[in-house]
Amino acid sequence: GENVEQHPSTLSVQEGDSAVIKCTYSDSASNYFPWYKQELGKRPQLIIDIRSNVGEKKDQRIAVTLNKTAKHFSLHITETQPEDSAVYFCAASYNTGNQFYFGTGTSLTVIP
Amino acid sequence: KAGVTQTPRYLIKTRGQQVTLSCSPISGHRSVSWYQQTPGQGLQFLFEYFSETQRNKGNFPGRFSGRQFSNSRSEMNVSTLELGDSALYLCASSSLGGNEKLFFGSGTQLSVL
Repeated sequence: GENVEQHPSTLSVQEGDSAVIKCTYSDSASNYFPWYKQELGKRPQLIIDIRSNVGEKKDQRIAVTLNKTAKHFSLHITETQPEDSAVYFCAASYNTGNQFYFGTGTSLTVIP
Repeated sequence: KAGVTQTPRYLIKTRGQQVTLSCSPISGHRSVSWYQQTPGQGLQFLFEYFSETQRNKGNFPGRFSGRQFSNSRSEMNVSTLELGDSALYLCASSSLGGNEKLFFGSGTQLSVL
């Protein structure tokens, strides 16, 4: 099956700086790559996603890039704010159902 | 619309017991999937149900089972509990169940003593 690796496991940045989280996947058949944000004690929520026919997608301060050849995708957060502090999970999926393979998460801390 | 509802919120069981967790998806959503979340392991896929049929299954032992009812509500059962089953169990729903946004519930925190 698919294997998703995520780095780093923890990340601290100063408010206003950028944060980058990277994920690699193993199965070239994967074609959908969402990112979820989980604040402490809360449920995961989708923040952005990208499909294999697109190389980059942006939504305000958040962007995701996908390199199918290298089988990796990254989350970029610019102008970080304290409310961006959370655990971020990347995921990959390749079948017609909702079977997602998640990374182990990155705990992001934005220091005011 | 009401969000995904999971009950109970917390459970404490002892080894060898069995447990049933419940999940009510967002109205109109037909796909319900279950994930186990543990510190350091992230979210691991258990299974997915769509229109009362199990469509996908993860690499968990047969002690983990589930079902979906005609109203799309889903239950997950774990028999012969082990200490390692202690985790947050999340269910997620989506409308069509095909590489789309998941809406997660708040989870059931299971502790096995």
